[in-house]
Amino acid sequence: GAVVSQHPSWVICKSGTSVKIECRSLDFQATTMFWYRQFPKQSLMLMATSNEGSKATYEQGVEKDKFLINHASLTLSTLTVTSAHPEDSSFYICSARDPLREVSNEQFFGPGTRLTVL
Amino acid sequence: GNSVTQMEGPVTLSEEAFLTINCTYTATGYPSLFWYVQYPGEGLQLLLKATKADDKGSNKGFEATYRKETTSFHLEKGSVQVSDSAVYFCALSKVTGGGNKLTFGTGTQLKVEL
Repeated sequence: GAVVSQHPSWVICKSGTSVKIECRSLDFQATTMFWYRQFPKQSLMLMATSNEGSKATYEQGVEKDKFLINHASLTLSTLTVTSAHPEDSSFYICSARDPLREVSNEQFFGPGTRLTVL
Repeated sequence: GNSVTQMEGPVTLSEEAFLTINCTYTATGYPSLFWYVQYPGEGLQLLLKATKADDKGSNKGFEATYRKETTSFHLEKGSVQVSDSAVYFCALSKVTGGGNKLTFGTGTQLKVEL
């Protein structure tokens, strides 16, 4: 149980275009999802916390108008990178919490999406 | 604020060698502690966890004990295999005013050679 999927697994786009990444909890309902960005050989940087039915909470330094997050249902959150530029190229990873497993505060991670902006 | 410090890598070992990856943390109260593993090109997978002091998390031959007195959660394995080659992240989770967030260490790359 507690499986999280992401789509697509990789995407290549031209500079200036927008890209949408989906994160789904497959076998549980996730009231909270998280979006991370990972640079090569570095740790994960939390970008934002996505709560179902409300606006996302962005970490300091993350542009909310550039990284649009929508959490329209209990099993789906989307991250849209708007007007992408080469510096946005990165590995984007989502995670979700299962409210039925609150004790350990565990997050379940998706497999990640590799974004390359040309 | 909360922070996690891991030993720098890469760590290179021969197959069947003993592994230790050090992890210490800074946090108030009693956070939950985790080790995640990331294989090349993949997302993070939970390896093991501990939710209170003196708990020992274990999985796939890996172990880590939650040491409150030394604020540590070192990862150990008695005999590593080539398939254990990956990046290992230590993390803590604590409910804050901003919600429940994971704080990661910088990751330690492990390379196991024949």
